[in-house]
Amino acid sequence: IVLTQSPGTLSLSPGESATLSCRASQSVSSSYLAWYRQKPGQAPRLLIYGASSRATGIPDRFSGSGSGTDFTLTISRLEPEDFAVYYCQQYGNSPPHTFGQGTKLEIK
Amino acid sequence: EVQLVQSGAEVKKPGDALKISCKGSGYSFTDFWIGWVRQMPGKGLEWMGIIYPGDSDTKYSPSFQGQVTISADRSINTAYLQWTSLKASDTAMYYCARYSTIAPPVWGQGTTVTVSS
Repeated sequence: IVLTQSPGTLSLSPGESATLSCRASQSVSSSYLAWYRQKPGQAPRLLIYGASSRATGIPDRFSGSGSGTDFTLTISRLEPEDFAVYYCQQYGNSPPHTFGQGTKLEIK
Repeated sequence: EVQLVQSGAEVKKPGDALKISCKGSGYSFTDFWIGWVRQMPGKGLEWMGIIYPGDSDTKYSPSFQGQVTISADRSINTAYLQWTSLKASDTAMYYCARYSTIAPPVWGQGTTVTVSS
């Protein structure tokens, strides 16, 4: 399964909302779609799993949605710490557990 | 608390062998898959392969098949990623991560591998 994220780069201002897309080449079980945020020099941090469940400690500004081949991560009220690179990953029963190529969220 | 703790940074020469580790704690090690992820400098995340410590079932990405070996020692709750002959292009950060159909993924802190003559 190939995951394609769009856009490649998203330029927004603090306080605005961001919508990130992850499209799969074939259907992905919603139970096994995750989103990560990675800041420079840090390990990826799990934000969303099961397409829409927030990981422990993740604020409700982050929400995930979608099913089948189209998934979305929405971040409302952008804060300075949100400007980073975001990856989606499918981790269902059948490896490989591929990643998208990433979306860079940068300050406008 | 579920944790994956990886071994420390490595600096090696081309042709050296290397084995890095990922120790799980806070859960039943044999009941969850452990995968390995590569991140080359300035690049994205690449899925390398995965092992189920319960029966050592191992699957590799075609890109990494034959280039690395993934193994696990159930007796000490540790998974491994090893190379027999490192190349400069193996320079990267390597992460282990626990996967399950019944719980969210959990990642290790990463191990930096630098291969330079």
